[in-house]
Amino acid sequence: NAGVTQTPKFQVLKTGQSMTLQCAQDMNHNSMYWYRQDPGMGLRLIYYSASEGTTDKGEVPNGYNVSRLNKREFSLRLESAAPSQTSVYFCASTLQDSNQPQHFGDGTRLSIL
Amino acid sequence: QKEVEQNSGPLSVPEGAIASLNCTYSDRGSQSFFWYRQYSGKSPELIMSIYSNGDKEDGRFTAQLNKASQYVSLLIRDSQPSDSATYLCAVNSGGSNYKLTFGKGTLLTVNP
Repeated sequence: NAGVTQTPKFQVLKTGQSMTLQCAQDMNHNSMYWYRQDPGMGLRLIYYSASEGTTDKGEVPNGYNVSRLNKREFSLRLESAAPSQTSVYFCASTLQDSNQPQHFGDGTRLSIL
Repeated sequence: QKEVEQNSGPLSVPEGAIASLNCTYSDRGSQSFFWYRQYSGKSPELIMSIYSNGDKEDGRFTAQLNKASQYVSLLIRDSQPSDSATYLCAVNSGGSNYKLTFGKGTLLTVNP
């Protein structure tokens, strides 16, 4: 019962480097989400994919891109990392049902120097 | 802009007391409401969901919803030190994207 799996768990980058955060869920969920969480700011939605084949911007999309690779996988890419992107990143998924909660992965702790 | 407001705390209660956590939301059309618990350095974990006005109880937890007042609360009875965490209120306003709007969370500390 893996649920939502995120890789890597920790990463340190230098400014300007690129990287992709991976997320996979095995709950047959349709919708997937990427959040960042910073002290005092709560969870902020970066991008989401309401269903396979669609992606949309959330509250803070600048500097990020996403790919919904298939129903299970939703990746987040930083093309040119900046110190302001130092954060904890969470992936979440849910069924297409307003009464269903989102289930979260364990998070990726990303530091950009 | 849909908003969910929580008192950031910290809320400090003695062990065995009732902890009361509150949340207000701006979108009157909101349909479903969730409480998540987040321990320091961990991911949010669902502890309660509520969809209709009134109370919903699960063990030591009771969620209360008042849609007319746009207010959701979480009561934790017989609080334990292991309940010390940040509690996030989340609201689903409907629509085909199934997005949740999260409050910034209330930090609860239960003192032995």
